[in-house]
Amino acid sequence: KAGVTQTPRYLIKTRGQQVTLSCSPISGHRSVSWYQQTPGQGLQFLFEYFSETQRNKGNFPGRFSGRQFSNSRSEMNVSTLELGDSALYLCASSSPGVGEQYFGPGTRLTVT
Amino acid sequence: EDKVVQSPLSLVVHEGDTVTLNCSYEVTNFRSLLWYKQEKKAPTFLFMLTSSGIEKKSGRLSSILDKKELSSILNITATQTGDSAIYLCAPILGRNNDMRFGAGTRLTVKP
Repeated sequence: KAGVTQTPRYLIKTRGQQVTLSCSPISGHRSVSWYQQTPGQGLQFLFEYFSETQRNKGNFPGRFSGRQFSNSRSEMNVSTLELGDSALYLCASSSPGVGEQYFGPGTRLTVT
Repeated sequence: EDKVVQSPLSLVVHEGDTVTLNCSYEVTNFRSLLWYKQEKKAPTFLFMLTSSGIEKKSGRLSSILDKKELSSILNITATQTGDSAIYLCAPILGRNNDMRFGAGTRLTVKP
């Protein structure tokens, strides 16, 4: 089975721009979660989608949004980028009710 | 507010040593706890613990959950340089896949 894939792997943007990251879960997994990882804050939960609906949301401003498509692929959008948004963005997928999540390789976003 | 604390934050040992990593949690609607190993990129799944007192084992790694003490430990015996990584624990909350990660323990194994 192919693992979780994320695109792009690396991205450089300037302040004020917006960015869209993509995540394709493992085949058959319907839950996709997004995390932000920074050296100072560790892994922080952004949101989780299941069957095209956002089920959970972490404590991030409204500039961070996401969606999930009918094929379970998910996108995450960050608008009006700030320097502090520079981070590794990870998505993880899981089967319903199983619990363990499998992570993609991440997208490293640098905001200059 | 949910809280997950891992200790120590950082650990340096030599090959062959045994290490114990700790994870304590104060969360609502605890369901189970996961351990992950993160090297350069994405975390890779190690264990999922749901029942108290039942040890999960995989090679030189083992882990156990103590629901009374709201904690879990991860043991690594006969450490190797390839065990060098950040080890993360994450309780799963509620019915959905809502996870809260600890800050991690950075383990360095020297030859």
